Amino acid sequence: GQQLNQSPQSMFIQEGEDVSMNCTSSSIFNTWLWYKQEPGEGPVLLIALYKAGELTSNGRLTAQFGITRKDSFLNISASIPSDVGIYFCAGQSSTGKLIFGQGTTLQVKP
Amino acid sequence: GAGVSQSPRYKVAKRGQDVALRCDPISGHVSLFWYQQALGQGPEFLTYFQNEAQLDKSGLPSDRFFAERPEGSVSTLKIQRTQQEDSAVYLCASSLIMPNQPQHFGDGTRLSIL
Repeated sequence: GQQLNQSPQSMFIQEGEDVSMNCTSSSIFNTWLWYKQEPGEGPVLLIALYKAGELTSNGRLTAQFGITRKDSFLNISASIPSDVGIYFCAGQSSTGKLIFGQGTTLQVKP
Repeated sequence: GAGVSQSPRYKVAKRGQDVALRCDPISGHVSLFWYQQALGQGPEFLTYFQNEAQLDKSGLPSDRFFAERPEGSVSTLKIQRTQQEDSAVYLCASSLIMPNQPQHFGDGTRLSIL
């Protein structure tokens, strides 16, 4: 099925470092979302973006909805060990269904 | 509970058996979605309900997959004559009235077909 192009696939960083990941699509989306998933759990919503060019923050997380509506990025500042997990971007179609990226696995070394 | 509840959490079945997976959405959430997540991949859309109406079933992989939501709340995903390729985590998500409201996910059912 259709998936978004998410990069990087994985990251191994030192605690305190900043992290950046991005997502691109060949299709336009009206809504972009970022989720985090931990082992054995469902994805948890981090940030939702509804407007092209929008920049939204949630604590140490900042995400932007690309002006072309075909991309988005997520930044995590000053990473901590509990940031470990898999981060997924998702574009939401007009019918509501989500199209997900392949995920970015983040590991943080204390 | 306050979140989306799925049961069972784990299901092991032999190839050829039928299985039924249950989803209890957040109370008051009109929209309900099912996704399939293969190991190491992002979730992939299966089907969508608004109340009891199944508005989109374009993601169901074959006619062995069937979903229902008869009273507009609890939903069941049924897989008939299971195959090994059906092994995956099946996630349910719900959202408020409009389909483009943020979706909140349950913890999924991990299905293993032997």
